Amino acid sequence: AQSVTQLDSHVSVSEGTPVLLRCNYSSSYSPSLFWYVQHPNKGLQLLLKYTSAATLVKGINGFEAEFKKSETSFHLTKPSAHMSDAAEYFCVVSDLYSGNTPLVFGKGTRLSVIA
Amino acid sequence: GAGVSQSPSNKVTEKGKDVELRCDPISGHTALYWYRQSLGQGLEFLIYFQGNSAPDKSGLPSDRFSAERTGGSVSTLTIQRTQQEDSAVYLCASSPGQGSQSGGYTFGSGTRLTVV
Repeated sequence: AQSVTQLDSHVSVSEGTPVLLRCNYSSSYSPSLFWYVQHPNKGLQLLLKYTSAATLVKGINGFEAEFKKSETSFHLTKPSAHMSDAAEYFCVVSDLYSGNTPLVFGKGTRLSVIA
Repeated sequence: GAGVSQSPSNKVTEKGKDVELRCDPISGHTALYWYRQSLGQGLEFLIYFQGNSAPDKSGLPSDRFSAERTGGSVSTLTIQRTQQEDSAVYLCASSPGQGSQSGGYTFGSGTRLTVV
């Protein structure tokens, strides 16, 4: 069975400082890993995805994540936070080779950005 | 349409009533998913349709929940005899059928269901 653990339910950073949202995964197979963002009263938007190519994945809005198999981690980072980054972030895992296996979501990390 | 459309956006219902939630996927997407998002929780998988195959109902929490997908397009999620614990945001997503390799899941904005 696959699962993800988002280690922090809430992260607060100052504008202009780095962002780190932590995620550990568990998967019996080769995983696909994703980060989604959900702004208040908006739908989920894909930030970035890892599907067995480069381990450092770049996404939209300056976010990136690194797949570390030895640590079973897929942490999301951004060098400099912007006020518009305040949102809920979800780490997601799926089985790479099982076609349309439903995505398994973490419980989310709420990012607050302080001016 | 350009995105996944869900209706209604908000629904308030009395305990014990039945409700129907609608999802219009992106045209041509063969896979459709329903998820539930409760306050402070991640997304909980409910049911998944792929083309004309039998749906994967493994996530449905009880037999009060059912879903159908007509003509491989529009889907309706039905909750019978609603309970207060059914209050949540119900999200629909569709994908072109290439699965997780594409990451091509597009989510709708959801239906916020409140059972009073």
